[in-house]
Amino acid sequence: GNSVTQMEGPVTLSEEAFLTINCTYTATGYPSLFWYVQYPGEGLQLLLKATKADDKGSNKGFEATYRKETTSFHLEKGSVQVSDSAVYFCALSGRGGGADGLTFGKGTHLIIQP
Amino acid sequence: KAGVTQTPRYLIKTRGQQVTLSCSPISGHRSVSWYQQTPGQGLQFLFEYFSETQRNKGNFPGRFSGRQFSNSRSEMNVSTLELGDSALYLCASSFGQGGNTIYFGEGSWLTVV
Repeated sequence: GNSVTQMEGPVTLSEEAFLTINCTYTATGYPSLFWYVQYPGEGLQLLLKATKADDKGSNKGFEATYRKETTSFHLEKGSVQVSDSAVYFCALSGRGGGADGLTFGKGTHLIIQP
Repeated sequence: KAGVTQTPRYLIKTRGQQVTLSCSPISGHRSVSWYQQTPGQGLQFLFEYFSETQRNKGNFPGRFSGRQFSNSRSEMNVSTLELGDSALYLCASSFGQGGNTIYFGEGSWLTVV
């Protein structure tokens, strides 16, 4: 079956530091890949996505590239801010004719200190 | 346009009771899915509905059920509540199935005492 593995943290960084959150996946076929962010007490917000190999998703300074050869979708940001503190979830959605639920990683708690 | 709307946002129930949660998808979206989020198990897929039919189901007991109406609104029901059912229940909608971007609501926080 499908699975997603990501570092759980917490990951603590200083403001303006470079961020990388690793995500690797196992899936059959050609899944779509997503990063979602969850702020305290809220639901999930889509951060970025990529639907095929070598696609780069980007939003709000965050980027992730769909690497089929390494089955990875690592999240990066060049300079983090305190407001980026949240839990980040890597997820995949299988393709195909049937309905597929999202498979999530355990989430990475990111803490940015001023 | 309005996002995914879930009601109620917070509720407290007693063991053995049942609960119904409601979800209104984004306008035009026909697929609605439900997820349970707990600190221990993380985010787990419950089920998905498309055009009033359940298309996929996660690994949850039969106490968890759902339905979708002709206007794509969805409800999920949990009967005979257990303490372990305390969780954030997230509803998500998408335009279609398989590979479409899924948008989440803010969730319903259920506490079972």
